[in-house]
Amino acid sequence: SQTIHQWPATLVQPVGSPLSLECTVEGTSNPNLYWYRQAAGRGLQLLFYSVGIGQISSEVPQNLSASRPQDRQFILSSKKLLLSDSGFYLCACRAGSSYEQYFGPGTRLTVT
Amino acid sequence: RKEVEQDPGPFNVPEGATVAFNCTYSNSASQSFFWYRQDCRKEPKLLMSVYSSGNEDGRFTAQLNRASQYISLLIRDSKLSDSATYLCVVNLPQQAGTALIFGKGTTLSVSS
Repeated sequence: SQTIHQWPATLVQPVGSPLSLECTVEGTSNPNLYWYRQAAGRGLQLLFYSVGIGQISSEVPQNLSASRPQDRQFILSSKKLLLSDSGFYLCACRAGSSYEQYFGPGTRLTVT
Repeated sequence: RKEVEQDPGPFNVPEGATVAFNCTYSNSASQSFFWYRQDCRKEPKLLMSVYSSGNEDGRFTAQLNRASQYISLLIRDSKLSDSATYLCVVNLPQQAGTALIFGKGTTLSVSS
């Protein structure tokens, strides 16, 4: 079964600073990868998904971007963080024919 | 209408109680249904898939009513360790990458 790694685990960044969150997957190949955000007291919001290297679909227009430079690597970035970017960022993986998704441990981002 | 709706709770029950959570979804073409469990400040974890005929996993029973677009989760003999937020999840079949839509969750607190 797959294992999903995310880092860093926690991050405190000032408004206007850049962001780079990384997600890597082990134990599977050619997975679908997803970035979600969970703001305090709210549900999971799908931000981006990728079905393959270099293929990114955006679900919500915002100041975030995603890239998939390798099959099992998914990166979430921002050039300038906003206060509203604070939240719990989760990377998820779907492999094979099942629709089930499995999550990494998440990155808790606080923008100050 | 929200895509996936759940009663947010909280549900406060004593150990040993039976508790049921309900969920409705708006997309009649959805084909895959799940319950996830999320502990405080942790990532969501797959609890069980929900099949048309209903399915059971130990103390947990999931039911699906496609005609009413309704999903339920029954927990029997509640344990302290069942305290968590339970997320109802359905797929969006029209989208590439097969995104999942998460409800905001129902919070369960089991007390001794």
